[in-house]
Amino acid sequence: DGGITQSPKYLFRKEGQNVTLSCEQNLNHDAMYWYRQDPGQGLRLIYYSQIVNDFQKGDIAEGYSVSREKKESFPLTVTSAQKNPTAFYLCASSGDRGIRGANVLTFGAGSRLTVL
Amino acid sequence: KQEVTQIPAALSVPEGENLVLNCSFTDSAIYNLQWFRQDPGKGLTSLLLIQSSQREQTSGRLNASLDKSSGRSTLYIAASQPGDSATYLCAVNWGGGNKLTFGTGTQLKVEL
Repeated sequence: DGGITQSPKYLFRKEGQNVTLSCEQNLNHDAMYWYRQDPGQGLRLIYYSQIVNDFQKGDIAEGYSVSREKKESFPLTVTSAQKNPTAFYLCASSGDRGIRGANVLTFGAGSRLTVL
Repeated sequence: KQEVTQIPAALSVPEGENLVLNCSFTDSAIYNLQWFRQDPGKGLTSLLLIQSSQREQTSGRLNASLDKSSGRSTLYIAASQPGDSATYLCAVNWGGGNKLTFGTGTQLKVEL
């Protein structure tokens, strides 16, 4: 079945450590996105990529980094510079590059990061 | 500032009731608007997408309407069931590129 796989589902990190969240899709989608969700808040865009080897900062990119070396993969690294990294992280993809009238987003199941 | 607001934050209804969830947005120049469902601890599932040129979209018991001039969208759920219990999120695409701005969601509980 086509879809988006995020791993790990749960992750614990000590302060000062970097951690990488995996996002893999087999939908042949061009565009991929990372969102952060905090309790009582809507999803906020961290980074997005519309094509391989290209990505742009979203609204809250500070303390995060990404790469897009393959169409299927868009890993997110939460660095030690992120002041409040404990959150639920969601990866999504869409079938086009966000042209007006864009396709529906497909989301992964999420990764919950807790900083101890 | 472009913002999306959903009120109420939580709603509890008896099974079988028809209900309306509300979404308001500050800038009427939208590309499209989407409604999503999120189950606890899970990712989002897209329910309906309304393009800026459309007034409504329907899928089964769900109907979403869009009134750009008033900056509002509603999600109508007919004959609610316990399986409809989830958080419903509204998201607006203003700038293209599928950069969505999300509301904080309405947590719905349908009771037996």
